[in-house]
Amino acid sequence: RKEVEQDPGPFNVPEGATVAFNCTYSNSASQSFFWYRQDCRKEPKLLMSVYSSGNEDGRFTAQLNRASQYISLLIRDSKLSDSATYLCVVGTGGFKTIFGAGTRLFVKA
Amino acid sequence: DVKVTQSSRYLVKRTGEKVFLECVQDMDHENMFWYRQDPGLGLRLIYFSYDVKMKEKGDIPEGYSVSREKKERFSLILESASTNQTSMYLCAVISAGDQETQYFGPGTRLLVL
Repeated sequence: RKEVEQDPGPFNVPEGATVAFNCTYSNSASQSFFWYRQDCRKEPKLLMSVYSSGNEDGRFTAQLNRASQYISLLIRDSKLSDSATYLCVVGTGGFKTIFGAGTRLFVKA
Repeated sequence: DVKVTQSSRYLVKRTGEKVFLECVQDMDHENMFWYRQDPGLGLRLIYFSYDVKMKEKGDIPEGYSVSREKKERFSLILESASTNQTSMYLCAVISAGDQETQYFGPGTRLLVL
């Protein structure tokens, strides 16, 4: 079993739709959680950190469920520019982080 | 913003060649990482360094070595390139003061023939 698992997609959604991604992690001692965004042929960039209380940044909402060991990302009112691969990242202590393989999102006009 | 540069965007090498990939950062950050990214597998950590001349093995160090002689520069070395090392190589940097954000270089796509 992979340490961090994501549905690879692709998710194909129309503009304006709401889309949600889930990610599960296997190490219950994991300490930090992030979503990164990676555009085609580009490097990953931090989208947002995920806190126990949940956090929101504009159209993006991230949630953490420690009991069930999953994190989620919700994108509301999808834009064409949201098309990318979304990487779930889990920190296990120190500087060690485990990356999921990513979920691909295509937003269509 | 932290600027992380990598020596090449695309590289084609032959089996058995020695390959050097270089990463340079401009923010005096202590921690630098080398990953490879393959379809369906995500990013996997090869080596990391938390200071000059210090290095630690990641999850897949076999076939690779690293060098960090100066704080701003972290090199990944493929001693004898093999076809299964064809991949995207990404360098990342973390500040000790901001452990949440990894800043990545643009990546090097390596093809080993």
